[in-house]
Amino acid sequence: AQSVAQPEDQVNVAEGNPLTVKCTYSVSGNPYLFWYVQYPNRGLQFLLKYITGDNLVKGSYGFEAEFNKSQTSFHLKKPSALVSDSALYFCAVRDASGSARQLTFGSGTQLTVLP
Amino acid sequence: DTAVSQTPKYLVTQMGNDKSIKCEQNLGHDTMYWYKQDSKKFLKIMFSYNNKELIINETVPNRFSPKSPDKAHLNLHINSLELGDSAVYFCASRLSSGATYEQYFGPGTRLTVT
Repeated sequence: AQSVAQPEDQVNVAEGNPLTVKCTYSVSGNPYLFWYVQYPNRGLQFLLKYITGDNLVKGSYGFEAEFNKSQTSFHLKKPSALVSDSALYFCAVRDASGSARQLTFGSGTQLTVLP
Repeated sequence: DTAVSQTPKYLVTQMGNDKSIKCEQNLGHDTMYWYKQDSKKFLKIMFSYNNKELIINETVPNRFSPKSPDKAHLNLHINSLELGDSAVYFCASRLSSGATYEQYFGPGTRLTVT
């Protein structure tokens, strides 16, 4: 079975400061990992993914994430937060070798960037 | 140039009614999904179709019936609506070939059952 955990329901950060949104995962084989963002009353937007290769993945809007196999983590980061980054962030995982063909999403982390 | 669209955006109805939600994608994808997002924002997959064939059917009441008339469309029909069906329903799609894997989501349909 595959699962993903986002340990923080809420993250607050001041504008201009670096931000981190945490994600840990569990799969039997190798993971495919994703970050999505959801703005109020909108659908989920794809931010970035890790499939294979470089552990540091860069995505949309200046976001990046680091895959850490030993810690089974895929934390989302941004060097300098903007007020417009305030949204709900979801981490998702899929087992690359499993029979399940769907993504499993975390419970979401509400990011608030304070001006 | 909308990629994944859903209709209607809002749906308010009474218990016991039957309703449908429609989804269309113009991305050329061959796999489509229905997700349910509850009031706590938890996202759970309901169904998935690949080339019009059902490939994922999670534990969902049989009052929910998906239909895929072609690769670009996936509709969701709900019979005998219950209060607990109130949620936001998202359609998503992806291309099953290649190394993309990411899914693209529609704007959602907010269903309120009174």
